[in-house]
Amino acid sequence: EDKVVQSPLSLVVHEGDTVTLNCSYEVTNFRSLLWYKQEKKAPTFLFMLTSSGIEKKSGRLSSILDKKELSSILNITATQTGDSAIYLCAVEPDNTDKLIFGTGTRLQVFP
Amino acid sequence: EPEVTQTPSHQVTQMGQEVILRCVPISNHLYFYWYRQILGQKVEFLVSFYNNEISEKSEIFDDQFSVERPDGSNFTLKIRSTKLEDSAMYFCASSGQPNQPQHFGDGTRLSIL
Repeated sequence: EDKVVQSPLSLVVHEGDTVTLNCSYEVTNFRSLLWYKQEKKAPTFLFMLTSSGIEKKSGRLSSILDKKELSSILNITATQTGDSAIYLCAVEPDNTDKLIFGTGTRLQVFP
Repeated sequence: EPEVTQTPSHQVTQMGQEVILRCVPISNHLYFYWYRQILGQKVEFLVSFYNNEISEKSEIFDDQFSVERPDGSNFTLKIRSTKLEDSAMYFCASSGQPNQPQHFGDGTRLSIL
């Protein structure tokens, strides 16, 4: 059965800290891995990764995929209180339309 | 920035009643999706829709559920004869192509009493 596992489930840090969120997956015929940020409502798209070893970066956020290890990490440097959210990892198998989500990592950033 | 919009934001319904959840996808997108998230659980795929027909559906999407694109802008999810376990947040998403990111709406919180 296809599945996505995220760790840690929860993380509490102070502003300015750097955090690393993990996502591992088991899917048949991998196509892509996506990261979303979910605050109170809609999951907001962050990154889409399809190739191993190529870092995607947006401001203080970056992500990389390791297809050999069937995993991805999401890094956030110099965290701010506005980074507090649930970060969702989802995998899209090939030949399908659906996203398979992990349970998410709840990040809380305190001043 | 274009966004997916969903209405209503919260729907409270008696068990056994029918509900229709509405979504307006991003205007130039062609692929539409419904997901649900039961409180405390993962986001789960329900159905995908392209070219006026269902392209894929999950085991959850049984005869109780249906989707429709009644006009050029709206995409609806109908749940007939609602049950207590249908209580969840329902998210609509859209994408321009199947290999492009899916963009989500704010969701409709459905509460069945």
